[in-house]
Parts: sequence; C-alpha cells; structure tokens
Amino acid sequence: GAVVSQHPSRVICKSGTSVKIECRSLDFQATTMFWYRQFPKQSLMLMATSNEGSKATYEQGVEKDKFLINHASLTLSTLTVTSAHPEDSSFYICSAKASGVRRETQYFGPGTRLLVL
Amino acid sequence: AQSVTQLGSHVSVSEGALVLLRCNYSSSVPPYLFWYVQYPNQGLQLLLKYTTGATLVKGINGFEAEFKKSETSFHLTKPSAHMSDAAEYFCAVTFSGAGSYQLTFGKGTKLSVIP
Repeated sequence: GAVVSQHPSRVICKSGTSVKIECRSLDFQATTMFWYRQFPKQSLMLMATSNEGSKATYEQGVEKDKFLINHASLTLSTLTVTSAHPEDSSFYICSAKASGVRRETQYFGPGTRLLVL
Repeated sequence: AQSVTQLGSHVSVSEGALVLLRCNYSSSVPPYLFWYVQYPNQGLQLLLKYTTGATLVKGINGFEAEFKKSETSFHLTKPSAHMSDAAEYFCAVTFSGAGSYQLTFGKGTKLSVIP
C-alpha cells in the first residue's frame, strides 16, 4: 500500500517551453501533497505544500508563477514548470500523505528528471 | 525550529559488517522521526519511523533505529551489511504541530558497501 507514482520519469525540453509533471497516489487519498526539488548530491528542498481543493503554499524563494501547482483531486497533483530555463534542470520529487492514522507519514514518488536545453 | 544533523556524509562498510548511520535532531516538542532510503535516480522509500510508543523501531530490509530522547538521537543500524544496502539515507523529523507535518531532512549519508 501507499504507492505514489510520477509521470513522466524523465523529460527533456527546450528553453522557454512548459513542462507538466503529474503525481498520483494510487491506493490512498492524499489530502496533502508536497513537491520537492533535489540537486545532485544534495538533500531534498521543499518547494511547496498543496492541499486538495486549495491553493498551494510555497516556500520562501520559490516562484509561484513559475512553478504552478494544482491539486484538483485527492489522488492527483500536478507541477507545471513554466517557461523553463536550463537552471530549472533538476530532479523533482513529489510526496503524498493521507489523513487519519498515517497522517504524519509522507510517501514519495519515484521522481522526475527534468533537463532543459 | 527543528533541525536534523546526519554525521558523516559518506560511510563505507564491508559486506557483512555492522551498519551505523547517525542522526541527531533538534526539536522543542516531541518529534516524529523517519529514515528514508534513496537509490540512484529514484524517489525516497520509507525504511522506518518513530511516532510514539516503543523506542526501538524495526523497519524493512533488516534495519532498525532507536529513539533516544536524552541524546536527541535516532541512529539507524543493521547488523550485517549487504551489497544492496548501498544507497543514500536520509533522516527526517516532523512533529504534530507542524503545518501539514512538513518534514525537515538531514543532508543525507551515502552508504557504500565494500565486497
């Protein structure tokens, strides 16, 4: 149980284009989803927290107009990198958590490797 | 504010040897503590967690960790390392008052297993 998927796993795009990454909780309802960014050989940096049906809360320094997050249902959140630039190249990981007895535990997706040329 | 310190960014052990990955936390309220493992180009997999109750927690793949409040530690151990244990390990903390249970991660420890 508690499986989280991400799609795509890898994406290469040209500078200036937009890229959408999907995060799905496959066997539970995720009241909250988190988006992280991970640079090589570093820890995870929280970008934003999204609750189903409400606007995402962005961490300081994260541009909300550049990284659009939509959490339209209890099983799906999307991250759209708008007008991507090479410096946006990174590994993006989502996580999801349920309400109830496991509410403190985040379950992570497999990550999406973004390369902007 | 809460924080996590993982001592040693890189640990090497021989196959069959004890694995000990250190994690110390700082939290002004009772913490919830986690260990996650990350294999190359993959997401994080939950190894084990401590919330309340028994302070010795057993996880997957033979790993266990002990919550020691007096030492503010949550070290991860495994009696006998296997080649497949080579990965990056992250310790993380949250607490019940944290908005949405946001995690604070340590910087990670890369475990290498020598044949």
